[in-house]
Amino acid sequence: SAVISQKPSRDICQRGTSLTIQCQVDSQVTMMFWYRQQPGQSLTLIATANQGSEATYESGFVIDKFPISRPNLTFSTLTVSNMSPEDSSIYLCSVWGGGNQPQHFGDGTRLSIL
Amino acid sequence: AQSVTQLDSQVPVFEEAPVELRCNYSSSVSVYLFWYVQYPNQGLQLLLKYLSGSTLVKGINGFEAEFNKSQTSFHLRKPSVHISDTAEYFCAVSGGSEKLVFGKGTKLTVNP
Repeated sequence: SAVISQKPSRDICQRGTSLTIQCQVDSQVTMMFWYRQQPGQSLTLIATANQGSEATYESGFVIDKFPISRPNLTFSTLTVSNMSPEDSSIYLCSVWGGGNQPQHFGDGTRLSIL
Repeated sequence: AQSVTQLDSQVPVFEEAPVELRCNYSSSVSVYLFWYVQYPNQGLQLLLKYLSGSTLVKGINGFEAEFNKSQTSFHLRKPSVHISDTAEYFCAVSGGSEKLVFGKGTKLTVNP
């Protein structure tokens, strides 16, 4: 399966600031996704990162808050903008190679907002 | 649309005991089903998947799951657990597209 590197692994940020999370995969993949896992909760899909075009956001998530880039088939970034304590979560990148392949996940970014 | 219900939020068991983590799904189309495990401070790791064919699916670390279409279930089992199996387990469903819908997770605690 693909090797996924997600950076940073954790961070503590001040409210009102922004943080960009990087996701790098070691092979070209069909699709990349970003999920949020709030404390003690399950995973919620934020958006699908589309190569060379705007990301596709799920209901409740907007581009101004969570801008996403995917400049090529192996790399994507998620920015959490104007952070508040409610944004304290684990953010996970996943990749999908197409067909019957399952999604594979990075180790996540553990974000705390003070 | 798909949905997943994990019936137990927490399951405590003793080491070497058998365990079953329950998962029911709802879907109007054929489904792909997955179990993922999340160890503390880590991402999600795929345990096993059901795509088609045999309803008994074997995964890593001695886990297996059985797809039951009539009961819309995909329960995860292990005949003898170890301390190292302590983790959170997520059941997920896909309706044939790439999108995954996750259950709320079951925390498995294996006690000595």
